[in-house]
Amino acid sequence: KAGVTQTPRYLIKTRGQQVTLSCSPISGHRSVSWYQQTPGQGLQFLFEYFSETQRNKGNFPGRFSGRQFSNSRSEMNVSTLELGDSALYLCASSFEGANLYTQYFGPGTRLTVL
Amino acid sequence: GQNIDQPTEMTATEGAIVQINCTYQTSGFNGLFWYQQHAGEAPTFLSYNVLDGLEEKGRFSSFLSRSKGYSYLLLKELQMKDSASYLCAVRSNYGGSQGNLIFGKGTKLSVKP
Repeated sequence: KAGVTQTPRYLIKTRGQQVTLSCSPISGHRSVSWYQQTPGQGLQFLFEYFSETQRNKGNFPGRFSGRQFSNSRSEMNVSTLELGDSALYLCASSFEGANLYTQYFGPGTRLTVL
Repeated sequence: GQNIDQPTEMTATEGAIVQINCTYQTSGFNGLFWYQQHAGEAPTFLSYNVLDGLEEKGRFSSFLSRSKGYSYLLLKELQMKDSASYLCAVRSNYGGSQGNLIFGKGTKLSVKP
């Protein structure tokens, strides 16, 4: 079974731009969670989507948003990019809700904001 | 508050045993996970504990004490490929944060020949 895939793998943007990242979960998984990983803060939870609905949200500003499609694929969007948004963005999928099942991570999208 | 502590770095010798400790204070507890992350790669799932005790999986074992807010990951017969960061994560079951993982900063393990 194929793992979690994320596109693109690398991205360079400038301040003020917006960016959309994509995540395809493991086949049959319905929950997708997004995390931001930085050297200083480590891995931090952004949000979880399950059945096209946002179930949980971490402590990130409204510039960070996401959505999930009927095939469970998910996208996250960051608007008005700031230098501090440079990070590795990881998505993780689980069979059903992340509150019950193990999360499996994709390879991440490394975003650099100049 | 939410806090997960683990050592920043550890060094061990090939063939040896190493124990990576993790202590946590979180609002709600619904399981503790260990992930391995090689540089530039995705975290990969190693183990899961929700009840007290030891879970063994090949060369890796993980222990949990919920009353002490403590876990450890034990790696036996260390191999060079075990050089990686090891992430301790607690799954919350508190209010609107149910299901999300709260991660420690990770322990960077270096295995020397």
